[in-house]
Amino acid sequence: GDSVTQMEGPVTLSEEAFLTINCTYTATGYPSLFWYVQYPGEGLQLLLKATKADDKGSNKGFEATYRKETTSFHLEKGSVQVSDSAVYFCALLGLTGGGNKLTFGTGTQLKVEL
Amino acid sequence: GAGVSQSPRYKVAKRGQDVALRCDPISGHVSLFWYQQALGQGPEFLTYFQNEAQLDKSGLPSDRFFAERPEGSVSTLKIQRTQQEDSAVYLCASSPSGVNTGELFFGEGSRLTVL
Repeated sequence: GDSVTQMEGPVTLSEEAFLTINCTYTATGYPSLFWYVQYPGEGLQLLLKATKADDKGSNKGFEATYRKETTSFHLEKGSVQVSDSAVYFCALLGLTGGGNKLTFGTGTQLKVEL
Repeated sequence: GAGVSQSPRYKVAKRGQDVALRCDPISGHVSLFWYQQALGQGPEFLTYFQNEAQLDKSGLPSDRFFAERPEGSVSTLKIQRTQQEDSAVYLCASSPSGVNTGELFFGEGSRLTVL
């Protein structure tokens, strides 16, 4: 079945540092890929998405490129801020189960310090 | 502009009790999903509605779990005879489209603790 593997957290960075959160996936066919973010005390929010190979999703300074050859969708940001502290979830929407369900990774907590 | 609203936010139940969790999706949203998130894990799919029709309930872990959306708006997730392993955050999400694009709007969740 479909699965998503994320790097374990917590990841602790200083403000303005470069961020990478690794995500790899296993799926049949060509899934759509997503990053969701959960800020403290809030619900999950869609951060960015990519629907086909080599697509780059971007939002709020975050980017991720759909790499089919390495089955990866790593999240990057060039300069993180304290306000980026949150839990980040990689997810895919595949063909398994009729295309009705998102399959999520376990989440990576990011802490950004001054 | 209200988002997805869930209630109660926190629920403590004794083992064996029945619980009901409510979800108010964004007005006009066609699709509604329930997910279960155990501590330290990502959300896991439970069930999916398109309007009032429950099109997929493959993720419901047992027949103690039941979901409904009778008028195509508010949804209720009911858990009968709760067990300790049911302790989790239950997330509701909605989407304006009848086609699942993966772009969901999530509520803050209902945290269930079963003692």
